[in-house]
Amino acid sequence: QKEVEQDPGPLSVPEGAIVSLNCTYSNSAFQYFMWYRQYSRKGPELLMYTYSSGNKEDGRFTAQVDKSSKYISLFIRDSQPSDSATYLCAMGAGGSYIPTFGRGTSLIVHP
Amino acid sequence: GAVVSQHPSRVICKSGTSVKIECRSLDFQATTMFWYRQFPKQSLMLMATSNEGSKATYEQGVEKDKFLINHASLTLSTLTVTSAHPEDSSFYICSASPGGSYNEQFFGPGTRLTVL
Repeated sequence: QKEVEQDPGPLSVPEGAIVSLNCTYSNSAFQYFMWYRQYSRKGPELLMYTYSSGNKEDGRFTAQVDKSSKYISLFIRDSQPSDSATYLCAMGAGGSYIPTFGRGTSLIVHP
Repeated sequence: GAVVSQHPSRVICKSGTSVKIECRSLDFQATTMFWYRQFPKQSLMLMATSNEGSKATYEQGVEKDKFLINHASLTLSTLTVTSAHPEDSSFYICSASPGGSYNEQFFGPGTRLTVL
């Protein structure tokens, strides 16, 4: 079993839909959770950074962490075609540990 | 802020040649830089961790004599793929961490290497 599991998709939704992207993990030592967005042939861009259970909101994006279930989510409200990208989750045990990345979920938002 | 650049963005070379990729942190000092490799529809695979002024730490299975890493300053790290072969064709991405936390990594735009 991989430390971080993420469904590669693709996930196709209509414009305006609420998108839910998820990752599960097995390492209970993970305390920091990140979501990155990667456009085709570009480097990943940090979207959200959380370090505790609960929700964190930033504009149309909400990151949710459930440590008891070892499950994290990224919600995108009012999705736009420009949100079409691959979304990678990443998590780490602490600042001195290199994060482990999921394989990414490909999201397609069609007009 | 926190911009990382990579050069070149794309390179095509013949088998047997060496290719150097530069990674620069433009507006912050990066004590640590990371080099990743990414295959199509796959996740980032960490190749090595590069600390300024010291030898890089390579992940298991990564040949250090083939992938030479130099971190000469707090804003520049280079990856040289020596004697490149077609199987080395991939997307190489660097990242840099400002401060002491590895969690906050800022990625470069990546370099697409194609070895003929």
